[in-house]
Amino acid sequence: SQTIHQWPATLVQPVGSPLSLECTVEGTSNPNLYWYRQAAGRGLQLLFYSVGIGQISSEVPQNLSASRPQDRQFILSSKKLLLSDSGFYLCAWNPRGRNTDTQYFGPGTRLTVL
Amino acid sequence: QQQVKQSPQSLIVQKGGISIINCAYENTAFDYFPWYQQFPGKGPALLIAIRPDVSEKKEGRFTISFNKSAKQFSLHIMDSQPGDSATYFCAAWDLGYNNNDMRFGAGTRLTVKP
Repeated sequence: SQTIHQWPATLVQPVGSPLSLECTVEGTSNPNLYWYRQAAGRGLQLLFYSVGIGQISSEVPQNLSASRPQDRQFILSSKKLLLSDSGFYLCAWNPRGRNTDTQYFGPGTRLTVL
Repeated sequence: QQQVKQSPQSLIVQKGGISIINCAYENTAFDYFPWYQQFPGKGPALLIAIRPDVSEKKEGRFTISFNKSAKQFSLHIMDSQPGDSATYFCAAWDLGYNNNDMRFGAGTRLTVKP
């Protein structure tokens, strides 16, 4: 069966510090991978998605970047965090190809920028 | 852009009652409508999903009603239990066009009182 991991689970970082969040998927190959941000009490905002190694698409302009160095690894980064980067970050995956079913979410990382 | 509108924002139901959450979409090309359940500090998990070729889908106490002409769909939770207290998200997806573009509603926080 497929599983998705995210770490760390929680993170407190000062403004201006760098960020690296990691997501890995097990039990599947060539997945589509996604990064979402969820602000407190709000819905899910798609930040990045990737259909393959080194292929990253960004949905919104922002202070963050994403990379996919391996097929089942997706990394969310920032060089200098802003207060507004605080939130709950979710990684998700789904099988590649048309007419595939829903996205499956990881456990999330709670980021607090102070 | 907001393509899926969800209501209410919050809902309080007594144990044993029926919880009803509504969503409306704009893009008639959407052809897959999942509902996610999210507990505090956890990632969303797929609860139930429907395709527009049926008007209703039931799984246990959870039912999706779908009205294609009105572009609306709803989640009904029968015999609501305190363990159902969570945030629920509806979503809509055009599987035939771009399976990287699932649109989420803003979420409904459900509280079931014992």
